[in-house]
Amino acid sequence: EVQLLESGGALVQPGGSLRLSCATSGFTFSSYAMSWVRQAPGRGLEWVSGISVTESAPYYADSVKGRFTISRDNSKNTLYLQMNSLRADDTAVYYCAKDSSLIVGASWGFDYWGQGALVTVSS
Amino acid sequence: DIQMTQFPSSLSASVGDRVTITCRASQNFNSYLNWYQQKPGKAPKLLIYGASSLQSGVPSRFSGSGSGTDFTLSISSLQPEDSATYYCQQSYSTSYTFGQGTKLDFK
Repeated sequence: EVQLLESGGALVQPGGSLRLSCATSGFTFSSYAMSWVRQAPGRGLEWVSGISVTESAPYYADSVKGRFTISRDNSKNTLYLQMNSLRADDTAVYYCAKDSSLIVGASWGFDYWGQGALVTVSS
Repeated sequence: DIQMTQFPSSLSASVGDRVTITCRASQNFNSYLNWYQQKPGKAPKLLIYGASSLQSGVPSRFSGSGSGTDFTLSISSLQPEDSATYYCQQSYSTSYTFGQGTKLDFK
């Protein structure tokens, strides 16, 4: 059974940092691209960042470029999102999602999702 | 970035109705268009990928069509459990984008 489990969500002050983790099991993690998708309270889905099977190819939404860093540890089957310089509009549930492709782009969608981790940015 | 415009933003229908949701892209791309269903408090679920392929385990009353810039999701005979918000997503570029969502409820 495929499982994705996010952790690390918390309340953080504006300007602060946080690292999310997504532990996976039930599939060959090193063979698939992975992404982070967020959803602000009462709002729609926003793709945040994606990473292909090799760390040399990370991609970011303009809204987080230069502040967030995605990474993966294929030996630990774990995806990460380092979030720096957090702002109030980063408040959201953050989902990790398994891509159906090994690269970001030209993909057949996200076939598995985690349950989400809540990040609240507030003073 | 490719912008995705989804409409209507909300929809009320009755059990047994056929409904259609439309998604329009700001530029032409191959059929890397996916549809998701999200229920309150839950993660999204992939329904349709590649514009028209049904994800494993999804009921056959869901179908997708379209190419280029215009895509549709249809539900042939609405069931009570179909009450949810539906999103389209392009997965063609290296900056994925979602539509704004369509909230479907029952009259």
